[in-house]
Amino acid sequence: EVLLVESGGGLVQPGGSLRLSCAASGFTVSNNYMTWVRQAPGKGLEWVSLIYNSGSTHYADSVKGRFTISRESSTNTLFLQLNSLRAEDTAVYYCATSKRFLDNWGQGTLVTVSS
Amino acid sequence: DIQMTQSPSSLSASVGDRVTITCRASQSITTYLNWYQQKPGKAPKLLISVASNLQSGVPSRFSGSGSGTDFTLTITSLQPEDFATYYCQQGYSIPYIFGQGTKLEIK
Repeated sequence: EVLLVESGGGLVQPGGSLRLSCAASGFTVSNNYMTWVRQAPGKGLEWVSLIYNSGSTHYADSVKGRFTISRESSTNTLFLQLNSLRAEDTAVYYCATSKRFLDNWGQGTLVTVSS
Repeated sequence: DIQMTQSPSSLSASVGDRVTITCRASQSITTYLNWYQQKPGKAPKLLISVASNLQSGVPSRFSGSGSGTDFTLTITSLQPEDFATYYCQQGYSIPYIFGQGTKLEIK
């Protein structure tokens, strides 16, 4: 059974940093495409970042240069490093397995950017 | 970037009704269109991939159709558990943008 568990969210001041984790079981992260999606409070879904099994990465324009997606094979974990955080980055962040669709999702972790 | 426009943004219907939600892409995405259902406080759930491919375990009252720029999600005979928010997403080119969502409410 595929299971994704996000962690690492919390309250951070504008300009601060956080690293989100997505612990996976039931499959190998490095053999799959993985995606981060976020959802601001009361808003819709926003595609954030994708890492291919090759290691190639892609980002939404809204986070390019500030966020970094990565993975660690030894722990079968996906990461999202969030730097230079802004109030508009406040959201629940979900990780998901993906090709051209997102078929398995974690429960999400809340990031709140506020002073 | 390819933009996705869903309509309506909200919809009121009754149990047993047939409803249709539409999604329009700003350019052709062939059939790379996915539909998700999200209930409050929960992660989205993939219902339909590649325009019409019903995911395992999803009831057959859900169906998807379309190609190019225009797509529809149809739910026949609405059940109480179907009241949720529905999102389309294009999987044709990065960024894989979502529609703004359609909130389906009980009339």
